[in-house]
Amino acid sequence: SQQGEEDPQALSIQEGENATMNCSYKTSINNLQWYRQNSGRGLVHLILIRSNEREKHSGRLRVTLDTSKKSSSLLITASRAADTASYFCASLNDYKLSFGAGTTVTVRA
Amino acid sequence: SAVISQKPSRDICQRGTSLTIQCQVDSQVTMMFWYRQQPGQSLTLIATANQGSEATYESGFVIDKFPISRPNLTFSTLTVSNMSPEDSSIYLCSVEEITEEQYFGPGTRLTVT
Repeated sequence: SQQGEEDPQALSIQEGENATMNCSYKTSINNLQWYRQNSGRGLVHLILIRSNEREKHSGRLRVTLDTSKKSSSLLITASRAADTASYFCASLNDYKLSFGAGTTVTVRA
Repeated sequence: SAVISQKPSRDICQRGTSLTIQCQVDSQVTMMFWYRQQPGQSLTLIATANQGSEATYESGFVIDKFPISRPNLTFSTLTVSNMSPEDSSIYLCSVEEITEEQYFGPGTRLTVT
């Protein structure tokens, strides 16, 4: 079941700019995972951050987690046209993933 | 990470019929999951499938409508039974690795007419 919200719902940026999206969840979690989905295809796993971690980096991605606020953010730096996609956060609790509503990112050339 | 394949990749079916979707993983995994993504929506967990036991269904999903098989540690099927247009969705399987990362198959896009 979905338990998270994401904002913004949609984001349009110029190539080279940074994109930031936020995610909130409702219950305690083991970890939080971010995914990318291009045009209704399968989900690509981007990054996992554990409940005892506050920040994690992977290439141009930076994820933060604030368990006191039950929120997370995903930052994509120096965006490229290929980053155009929908991004979903998913919180893991007791092996079940609960997905946020997603943020649609459009990177303009 | 595990490599997951699904068959078929897409199908168009008539209402009242059933479709079985296959999910194959290139390594043995304990837990496999089936999700539905309705048009323009996020993903919703249908059920968890563990080898050797009955699938566990989430609220709103029942075995008669979505029977699942898990005959071994690398394979699972989801059947969408007695389909209606409301079943038009992308159906995805996923697996959890020991790191707790969950990886998804490419999805099956189902259209019911």
